[in-house]
Amino acid sequence: GQQVMQIPQYQHVQEGEDFTTYCNSSTTLSNIQWYKQRPGGHPVFLIQLVKSGEVKKQKRLTFQFGEAKKNSSLHITATQTTDVGTYFCAGKYGGSQGNLIFGKGTKLSVKP
Amino acid sequence: DSGVTQTPKHLITATGQRVTLRCSPRSGDLSVYWYQQSLDQGLQFLIHYYNGEERAKGNILERFSAQQFPDLHSELNLSSLELGDSALYFCASSVEPGLETQYFGPGTRLLVL
Repeated sequence: GQQVMQIPQYQHVQEGEDFTTYCNSSTTLSNIQWYKQRPGGHPVFLIQLVKSGEVKKQKRLTFQFGEAKKNSSLHITATQTTDVGTYFCAGKYGGSQGNLIFGKGTKLSVKP
Repeated sequence: DSGVTQTPKHLITATGQRVTLRCSPRSGDLSVYWYQQSLDQGLQFLIHYYNGEERAKGNILERFSAQQFPDLHSELNLSSLELGDSALYFCASSVEPGLETQYFGPGTRLLVL
């Protein structure tokens, strides 16, 4: 079946270091969404990428969608302790009728 | 606050029992999705309802069922519970199936003893 692979599973960084998580799909995605789940919380939508090669920025966060619409990345510059949590990508297949397939997430811990 | 409500927040029950989890979507949202999140696992899609009708099934066990009522709230029924069913159950809502975001509720934490 359709799968979205996300790496790494865990990432420990020192505050101020950069962080990147990657998602890959074997087949073309309609779009990809990114969510953040704080410890003990629920997933919260961050952004959606739809176009091939799209790049979007939110302050220190940069999101990219690959040219082939099969991979995506989230990069955080100069991490802060508030960035702690699990970051999930979620790919949609099959246009408007498809459902979101979530990656297993990358758990980020930031040491002050 | 996402505007999606789920009850109860916590549920402790025994193996073999049956429980019902409830979700009220954001005002105006017609789609409700159910997800299961086990410890250190990602979000497993269970089922999707749109305006009262089942739209898609994911990795949902036959012991589990769901429905969406005319007022658009949804219930997830889990029966013949097993220890492995212990997890966080989230519902999410969106305006309609499409390219838009899903808004997650706070979840119900189920513990089966």
